[in-house]
Amino acid sequence: DADVTQTPRNRITKTGKRIMLECSQTKGHDRMYWYRQDPGLGLRLIYYSFDVKDINKGEISDGYSVSRQAQAKFSLSLESAIPNQTALYFCATSRGSGRFTDTQYFGPGTRLTVL
Amino acid sequence: DAKTTQPNSMESNEEEPVHLPCNHSTISGTDYIHWYRQLPSQGPEYVIHGLTSNVNNRMASLAIAEDRKSSTLILHRATLRDAAVYYCILENGGTSYGKLTFGQGTILTVHP
Repeated sequence: DADVTQTPRNRITKTGKRIMLECSQTKGHDRMYWYRQDPGLGLRLIYYSFDVKDINKGEISDGYSVSRQAQAKFSLSLESAIPNQTALYFCATSRGSGRFTDTQYFGPGTRLTVL
Repeated sequence: DAKTTQPNSMESNEEEPVHLPCNHSTISGTDYIHWYRQLPSQGPEYVIHGLTSNVNNRMASLAIAEDRKSSTLILHRATLRDAAVYYCILENGGTSYGKLTFGQGTILTVHP
């Protein structure tokens, strides 16, 4: 089984709808991240959480919210979806052991289309 | 934050070595150099990272210039499975610990 799973893998929705993307991990990592990727571009950080009670905004958090329900679960919500939120969304985890650097492990991605 | 510059694309033949360059002229002393790659239709995966010394692992080697202003990811024998977008990323061990900033990366094409 995959260490980092994302549900759903594909979603088509309409403008104004509320959408939740879910991420679960079995790696036992403390840190979790949400990124979005637009065609031909690299990934941009939306939100990150260094532990259950520590949630931080990333580069492009406007229009998004997150919830860290447990160490293993990190959800991304679009309260009122708009077409320019159409993108590929990736969840990632890292150990966060207090060292100076950290390696991230990514999920398979969720392709979201907002009509 | 320090930025990286990579060529948009590179090509290689199967079973030949590939050297992927990255310039990071404004790197600071606490910036780690990371390489990730993204295979088609998949999430990025970690390849290798280093700080000052050259590094080797089962996937690749990382050669870091003495002044740290550039680095090279070396795939010793490219396979078709190595065709991917390769991202060179700086992670600041102090202010940006744990946060990765992805650029556009280098698209590597491997020919049979």
